[in-house]
Amino acid sequence: DSGVTQTPKHLITATGQRVTLRCSPRSGDLSVYWYQQSLDQGLQFLIQYYNGEERAKGNILERFSAQQFPDLHSELNLSSLELGDSALYFCASSVRVEGPGELFFGEGSRLTVL
Amino acid sequence: QQQVKQSPQSLIVQKGGIPIINCAYENTAFDYFPWYQQFPGKGPALLIAIRPDVSEKKEGRFTISFNKSAKQFSLHIMDSQPGDSATYFCAARSETGANNLFFGTGTRLTVIP
Repeated sequence: DSGVTQTPKHLITATGQRVTLRCSPRSGDLSVYWYQQSLDQGLQFLIQYYNGEERAKGNILERFSAQQFPDLHSELNLSSLELGDSALYFCASSVRVEGPGELFFGEGSRLTVL
Repeated sequence: QQQVKQSPQSLIVQKGGIPIINCAYENTAFDYFPWYQQFPGKGPALLIAIRPDVSEKKEGRFTISFNKSAKQFSLHIMDSQPGDSATYFCAARSETGANNLFFGTGTRLTVIP
């Protein structure tokens, strides 16, 4: 158990809808990362937050947004969903914002868009 | 564009064999190269990592070989066991960025008893 909690584990929704994925980092970790895992592209970095502030941005679509709250949990919002957004979404956390440092991953949220 | 290229996509070996997974990169600002192991239904977990100032690192049965001039690194698993069957991801981190990692596309390893 990595100590990173993600909810929901599974989510099925329709195209055009909006969903929110939630992540609670390990106790003491200030940095949260979101990754998208699809079959053909592996793990793609989406965005990183550190202590409530956006720290780095990767291949995150404009339809997606994220935030980190004062209690350090983070939410990833996916809107105007398309079939291609179906994937596993992982949250990871680390103590440090600058590296290198180990990332601890949750078990992921599997999103299916029908 | 995939910043870290990984091969092969899948690998099947007999128990006791030595699977080798290879990765290559172009960004010379990368300064940290971890390998993550992922079991079905679980998130990736750090297995072993190397900095570019050394050419090899061993932890138990797992070894990373690093070739800075060729911008390549590889994972070797000695005396592989069925319990090693998992997906392995190489990754890299840029010294100029935050702690986020760029991952390869993964290698699904199956170790046959």
